Amino acid sequence: EVQLVESGGGLVQPGRSLRLSCAASGFTFDDYAMHWVRQAPGKGLEWVSGISWNSGSIGYADSVKGRFTISRDNAKNSLYLQMNSLRAEDTALYYCAKDMVPATYSNPYYWGQGTLVTVSS
Amino acid sequence: SYELTQPPSVSVSPGQTARITCSGDALPKKYAYWYQQKSGQAPVLVIYEDSKRPSGIPERFSGSSSGTMATLTISGAQVEDEADYYCYSTDSSGNHRGVFGGGTKLTVL
Repeated sequence: EVQLVESGGGLVQPGRSLRLSCAASGFTFDDYAMHWVRQAPGKGLEWVSGISWNSGSIGYADSVKGRFTISRDNAKNSLYLQMNSLRAEDTALYYCAKDMVPATYSNPYYWGQGTLVTVSS
Repeated sequence: SYELTQPPSVSVSPGQTARITCSGDALPKKYAYWYQQKSGQAPVLVIYEDSKRPSGIPERFSGSSSGTMATLTISGAQVEDEADYYCYSTDSSGNHRGVFGGGTKLTVL
């Protein structure tokens, strides 16, 4: 069974940093691209970042480019999101999601339950 | 930056056909995907690559795409289909960027 478990969320002051992690199991992690998607309270989904199976292709939303860094450790079956210079508008539930097709960079398919990030003084 | 546009809300009676549209300039070249999100739950993929249905998704869900518009159709909508629906695609810049539409609240009553 595919499992994605996000961690690392919490309350952080504006301008500070936070690192999210996603532990994956139940599938061959290094075969699949991975994504981070967030959802602010009461708002819609926002794609944040994606990374291909071998980290060769990486993309960011304009709203986070230059502040957030996605990475993965295939040996540890883990995905990460380093978030710097956090702003109030980064407050959201952050989902980790597995891509749909092996060896492609396509779309979020299977989602975790999310970790909540609150940016407030 | 690239945007996908959806109507904020659609309302139908049970048994009727619901259609939710998604417009974007890159849709002639990029696939559309559709997600269903019920309150308090993670999203679920209901249509991929414009018109394909993942296993386990009821046949009443279908998708199509023509020009700059993709459409999710729910034929014979059920009360349990009431949810938020989001389209997703990628831009054509080669920057590996995804984008979601703003979401459509489907009411079935």
